[in-house]
Amino acid sequence: DGGITQSPKYLFRKEGQNVTLSCEQNLNHDAMYWYRQDPGQGLRLIYYSQIVNDFQKGDIAEGYSVSREKKESFPLTVTSAQKNPTAFYLCASSIAGVQFAGELFFGEGSRLTVL
Amino acid sequence: AQTVTQSQPEMSVQEAETVTLSCTYDTSESDYYLFWYKQPPSRQMILVIRQEAYKQQNATENRFSVNFQKAAKSFSLKISDSQLGDAAMYFCASIRARDDKIIFGKGTRLHILP
Repeated sequence: DGGITQSPKYLFRKEGQNVTLSCEQNLNHDAMYWYRQDPGQGLRLIYYSQIVNDFQKGDIAEGYSVSREKKESFPLTVTSAQKNPTAFYLCASSIAGVQFAGELFFGEGSRLTVL
Repeated sequence: AQTVTQSQPEMSVQEAETVTLSCTYDTSESDYYLFWYKQPPSRQMILVIRQEAYKQQNATENRFSVNFQKAAKSFSLKISDSQLGDAAMYFCASIRARDDKIIFGKGTRLHILP
């Protein structure tokens, strides 16, 4: 079945460690996104990519990094520079084109806890 | 800047009743899209309904419909004949037609009372 797979589902990290969250999609979508979800905050955009080898910062990119070497993959690294990394992270993808604007397909999320 | 505001953090409705979730937005664009997304307790978010700003007719998807008031910048979601499976967090969202950044509201948690 087509969809978006995020892994791991749960991740624990010690302070000062970098951690990478995986996001893979087999929907052949051009655009991919990373959102952070905190209670009472809604979803905030971290990074997005509309095409391979290109990505743009979202509203809260500080302390995060991404790569887009393949169309189907968009990993997110939470670096030690991120002050408050404990959160739920959602990856999403969409078809390029105005007629599909905003129609996102989401993964099941990854919960990161910093100990 | 685009903003999306959901003023109701939580709501409850009796099963089989109708409930309306509120959303207001602010944009200077003339061409944009509005959405309602549902995030059930399993956490995978799905698109419920989509509205193009240039369309006057309100979007409808089975038991879900919207009341789009463009002048008032209001975009409420009506759920008819509420079912237990409708219990979820609902997010209102908007995107400019010329953009790829979708902006989400903070969400409304909907409880369905049996």
